[in-house]
Amino acid sequence: AQKITQTQPGMFVQEKEAVTLDCTYDTSDPSYGLFWYKQPSSGEMIFLIYQGSYDQQNATEGRYSLNFQKARKSANLVISASQLGDSAMYFCAMREGGSEKLVFGKGTKLTVNP
Amino acid sequence: DSGVTQTPKHLITATGQRVTLRCSPRSGDLSVYWYQQSLDQGLQFLIQYYNGEERAKGNILERFSAQQFPDLHSELNLSSLELGDSALYFCASSVDVGGSETQYFGPGTRLLVL
Repeated sequence: AQKITQTQPGMFVQEKEAVTLDCTYDTSDPSYGLFWYKQPSSGEMIFLIYQGSYDQQNATEGRYSLNFQKARKSANLVISASQLGDSAMYFCAMREGGSEKLVFGKGTKLTVNP
Repeated sequence: DSGVTQTPKHLITATGQRVTLRCSPRSGDLSVYWYQQSLDQGLQFLIQYYNGEERAKGNILERFSAQQFPDLHSELNLSSLELGDSALYFCASSVDVGGSETQYFGPGTRLLVL
């Protein structure tokens, strides 16, 4: 079964607008971490934001914020004031408490239009 | 720039050959992870080393092996290469293991097997 589901293969947003990228996860472990990474066309994986399962508040990092709804098992990434440079693949990933590995979703390709 | 370096950036080789991918973690990071990104399988965890010792194993083929040296750099050896081994191979590193430790990815080595 898929542990990380990203249902949006592609998303389009106008420059300066906000966009939400969806991520749902599946785990029975009460301790886990959720990560978002950005992969531009050049290929590197860039860490954006982290949310721990016990964190009381939604994580924020600059223009990135995480809409964490634990009961729904969702961890959506919100990018505010989109920029052309935000055009990239975005991956949601999870690490469960007893594991060292990251499990990735299939990614969402975001295109920011001028 | 994540601080993780990988060499070479690109590698083209023939089926049946053997290659070695090299990774230097961020300064101070003890843990190194290897991931494979392919079109059909997505991003998959291969193996992890912590301070020179193998710590976790994922979907790594028997034809593949890795090690971490005393200076903490790591090498991933791929042998008897097949067309399906063509992929982007990432190394990631983290300071420690588990919990909220963020894995920072290198730029990747793009392997093409002809």
